[in-house]
Amino acid sequence: GAVVSQHPSRVICKSGTSVKIECRSLDFQATTMFWYRQFPKQSLMLMATSNEGSKATYEQGVEKDKFLINHASLTLSTLTVTSAHPEDSSFYICSATRDRADIQYFGAGTRLSVL
Amino acid sequence: AQSVTQPDIHITVSEGASLELRCNYSYGATPYLFWYVQSPGQGLQLLLKYFSGDTLVQGIKGFEAEFKRSQSSFNLRKPSVHWSDAAEYFCAVVVTGGGNKLTFGTGTQLKVEL
Repeated sequence: GAVVSQHPSRVICKSGTSVKIECRSLDFQATTMFWYRQFPKQSLMLMATSNEGSKATYEQGVEKDKFLINHASLTLSTLTVTSAHPEDSSFYICSATRDRADIQYFGAGTRLSVL
Repeated sequence: AQSVTQPDIHITVSEGASLELRCNYSYGATPYLFWYVQSPGQGLQLLLKYFSGDTLVQGIKGFEAEFKRSQSSFNLRKPSVHWSDAAEYFCAVVVTGGGNKLTFGTGTQLKVEL
């Protein structure tokens, strides 16, 4: 149980285009989802926390207009990288929890490469 | 500020040898503690966690970790490493009342020599 699916696993796009990444909880309802960014050979940095039906809470230094997060249902959250540029190339990972006391279950990640 | 430190960036061990990965945290209160493993290009898999109670925690794949309050440490151990254990290992903490946010250490890359 507690499976989180992330799609796509890899995406290559041209500079200036927007990319949407989906994060789904397959067998549970996720009241909270988290989005992380990981640079090569570095740790995971939390970008934002999203709760179903409310606006995401972004960490300091993360541009909310650049990284649009939508958590429209209890099983789906999306991260849209708008007007992507090469510096946005990274590994993006989502996680989900059933409630505030729950551990986080991680997706397999999305490798974004912006040309 | 709260932080998680993994002093060893890279560790190489021979298959069959024992392993210890270090993790230290700096918080005023006892946080919830986790160890995750990440294979190349993959997400994170939870190895074990400590919330309270017995300070020696057993996890999956033969891993264990010991919480030592006096040292603010939560080191990960395995008695006998297998080649398939080669991966990146992350220690992480959640501060109670912190909205379930995970703070990760910088990771330790484990290489296993055959």
